[in-house]
Amino acid sequence: DAKTTQPPSMDCAEGRAANLPCNHSTISGNEYVYWYRQIHSQGPQYIIHGLKNNETNEMASLIITEDRKSSTLILPHATLRDTAVYYCIVRVAMNSGNTPLVFGKGTRLSVIA
Amino acid sequence: DAGVTQSPTHLIKTRGQHVTLRCSPISGHKSVSWYQQVLGQGPQFIFQYYEKEERGRGNFPDRFSARQFPNYSSELNVNALLLGDSALYLCASSLERHQPQHFGDGTRLSIL
Repeated sequence: DAKTTQPPSMDCAEGRAANLPCNHSTISGNEYVYWYRQIHSQGPQYIIHGLKNNETNEMASLIITEDRKSSTLILPHATLRDTAVYYCIVRVAMNSGNTPLVFGKGTRLSVIA
Repeated sequence: DAGVTQSPTHLIKTRGQHVTLRCSPISGHKSVSWYQQVLGQGPQFIFQYYEKEERGRGNFPDRFSARQFPNYSSELNVNALLLGDSALYLCASSLERHQPQHFGDGTRLSIL
């Protein structure tokens, strides 16, 4: 079962920041927070991941609370092409053993013109 | 650089048949994982392969099998197909097992 809780859907106006929340209250110290998105009829696309520090790349920013029990993915200037299902996943990151991604139902983000 | 490529993109089979799905990882990636995504659900883990050995298996019956070749490409085989096997089958590759996985666009399998 997924260890994260996300709202099922959100709307965002085009050009505004999209802030997608995720709760992961049972996260362990060696688990990372990963974000993926899936645009209709495509495979999931990796966005960003982090352990405890905030992270930023060309796609998004990831803000993780100090207690690591929740996080927020920020798309700074949402466009229509950002309409997708966004998945927040916690994952043990170690180069031994099985390290699959466990997907929940995600948040369906609709960017509105 | 080419991403993860999967073939075929679409496939129609009938109950009881078998199917082989193929995946070419991103160049240099050693780990390949397979996922099944049924309509309306998130992807569900099937297998992980690393350096040509099975490293993990999800809760799927023995009708599902896979292998990884010396060039790190991979095949997923499903025998005795059931209607419930209709789904999008996704392949993901990563440089090492613990690093971010990158997905192909999948093979859509329909069982009649």
